[in-house]
Amino acid sequence: GIQVEQSPPDLILQEGANSTLRCNFSDSVNNLQWFHQNPWGQLINLFYIPSGTKQNGRLSATTVATERYSLLYISSSQTTDSGVYFCAVGVLGSSNTGKLIFGQGTTLQVKP
Amino acid sequence: KAGVTQTPRYLIKTRGQQVTLSCSPISGHRSVSWYQQTPGQGLQFLFEYFSETQRNKGNFPGRFSGRQFSNSRSEMNVSTLELGDSALYLCASSQGTLNTGELFFGEGSRLTVL
Repeated sequence: GIQVEQSPPDLILQEGANSTLRCNFSDSVNNLQWFHQNPWGQLINLFYIPSGTKQNGRLSATTVATERYSLLYISSSQTTDSGVYFCAVGVLGSSNTGKLIFGQGTTLQVKP
Repeated sequence: KAGVTQTPRYLIKTRGQQVTLSCSPISGHRSVSWYQQTPGQGLQFLFEYFSETQRNKGNFPGRFSGRQFSNSRSEMNVSTLELGDSALYLCASSQGTLNTGELFFGEGSRLTVL
């Protein structure tokens, strides 16, 4: 089955620093999303980005589907950015069914 | 527009018992999918329901089951609970099928099995 790998697994930043999180996937996908898991466990949508580039405030994301990777950029990080960031890809299986496969996540800690 | 609602938020059960978790999707969303999150295994896909039909199922034993009602609300059931079933169970909804549409998650149901 498809493999989804996120890097780095852990990241510690000082407030104000920039960072890049990476998601590699081993096969063609027709759905890719980035989520931020808050301290209470809820997955918050950041981007729905099967291809191209999107920006939302200090966050932006780029997916290069042909090269099977996606990047999440966080600029001017704040302590509230701390948490776990997940990449999830949707794959189309047999009989037109599908499933969503998550990476193992990147744990980000932003220090004041 | 209300988000995805999961109940109960927290529950404690003992081994051998069964549990039922509920998920109400965003209004108009027809797909509901379920995920189990544990520290060791990460986030794993359990199953997806679309228009009351199970479209796909992850690699979980038959003790894990689910269903979807005509109003798109979904329930999942775990029978004969084991200690390893302790986890955060997350539900997500989307307008289209889960592999093609944007997913929105609920706050989760945290199950502890003693």
